[in-house]
Amino acid sequence: AQRVTQPEKLLSVFKGAPVELKCNYSYSGSPELFWYVQYSRQRLQLLLRHISRESIKGFTADLNKGETSFHLKKPFAQEEDSAMYYCAFNNAGNMLTFGGGTRLMVKP
Amino acid sequence: EAQVTQNPRYLITVTGKKLTVTCSQNMNHEYMSWYRQDPGLGLRQIYYSMNVEVTDKGDVPEGYKVSRKEKRNFPLILESPSPNQTSLYFCASSLSTVSLMNRNEKLFFGSGTQLSVL
Repeated sequence: AQRVTQPEKLLSVFKGAPVELKCNYSYSGSPELFWYVQYSRQRLQLLLRHISRESIKGFTADLNKGETSFHLKKPFAQEEDSAMYYCAFNNAGNMLTFGGGTRLMVKP
Repeated sequence: EAQVTQNPRYLITVTGKKLTVTCSQNMNHEYMSWYRQDPGLGLRQIYYSMNVEVTDKGDVPEGYKVSRKEKRNFPLILESPSPNQTSLYFCASSLSTVSLMNRNEKLFFGSGTQLSVL
């Protein structure tokens, strides 16, 4: 079964420090991967997806098929980045599987 | 405003008392889905629907039912709630099914329903 693993439940960094939220998936084919974010008191929303190869709010994520990873990175964290981040995976089926989530806390 | 609306926002009930959480979207989306969010377990998919009268089980369907009689509504039904169904529930929708999403599509989420079963 496809699975998405986010090994860190909580990641705490200081403002201005680099941040990397880890995401690993288990699938041998060509998956589609996403990062969703949930800010305090807001709905879950799409942050970025790997096929778009975009940078959103300074975040990027590269799909590494060899390591089956899709880590989310930002070179300089901001306090407003504090949120819950979910990695999600689709193997061209009709279900989107989410990881357990990582809470990012950016301290001033 | 395009959105996914869930009701109620909060619900406290007792074991065995049937309840329904409603979900409605005004974007003419084909795909709708229910998730539950639990600490440490993240979001787990309960049921999803690819169109009217087409529903399928997700990862954790036990104890839940859904129906899709109209495109806009996708209620989640708990026939006999139990304490292990205490959770935060999210409804989501997208224009097309997950497998057909193009790069401009995404899942739209509701604001959540916090359910406590005593």
